[in-house]
Amino acid sequence: NAGVTQTPKFRILKIGQSMTLQCTQDMNHNYMYWYRQDPGMGLKLIYYSVGAGITDKGEVPNGYNVSRSTTEDFPLRLELAAPSQTSVYFCASNPGQTGGYTFGSGTRLTVV
Amino acid sequence: DAKTTQPPSMDCAEGRAANLPCNHSTISGNEYVYWYRQIHSQGPQYIIHGLKNNETNEMASLIITEDRKSSTLILPHATLRDTAVYYCIVTFGFQKLVFGTGTRLLVSP
Repeated sequence: NAGVTQTPKFRILKIGQSMTLQCTQDMNHNYMYWYRQDPGMGLKLIYYSVGAGITDKGEVPNGYNVSRSTTEDFPLRLELAAPSQTSVYFCASNPGQTGGYTFGSGTRLTVV
Repeated sequence: DAKTTQPPSMDCAEGRAANLPCNHSTISGNEYVYWYRQIHSQGPQYIIHGLKNNETNEMASLIITEDRKSSTLILPHATLRDTAVYYCIVTFGFQKLVFGTGTRLLVSP
């Protein structure tokens, strides 16, 4: 059981470039989430999904897009990267019960 | 989601109990109290959650006051590996976790 796997672990982007952060889980969880964490701050929700084909915006969705074509995968797309998107990105999943979330180990993104 | 208030930092001696408080005075009847921790730059780790009864698991105990306006996370015998940022989160169900800035716990020898 790998849990929640995020790739890549580190990435440097130039302003205006695009990239996709990958997230996959092998626990058959319906609920998946993307958070970002800026230095010294708590996590902020970007997007979330309650099941395949269903996504919704969180607190800070601007500049990002998501898709959920399968239960396992929930990629986060950055279009036209900006320095303000420099952050650590965490993906998480939840089985849909009042239990704990499982988080991935994060992707550290720097936009220069 | 209800807001929570936590002290920004706390210290604890290794081997002693660490008691981390959280105020959530606007909590509603169907909202749960969750605790997570984040060690260094790793992903947050689930610790425990509860509705109104006290809860205990292999990691910690959660004490919720009778009026549910505050709670305390107890690490019974803190170790150096418990040094982390601890987040208290109040939410309904499982759809969203709203993270504050948490309590930075430093466990010292």
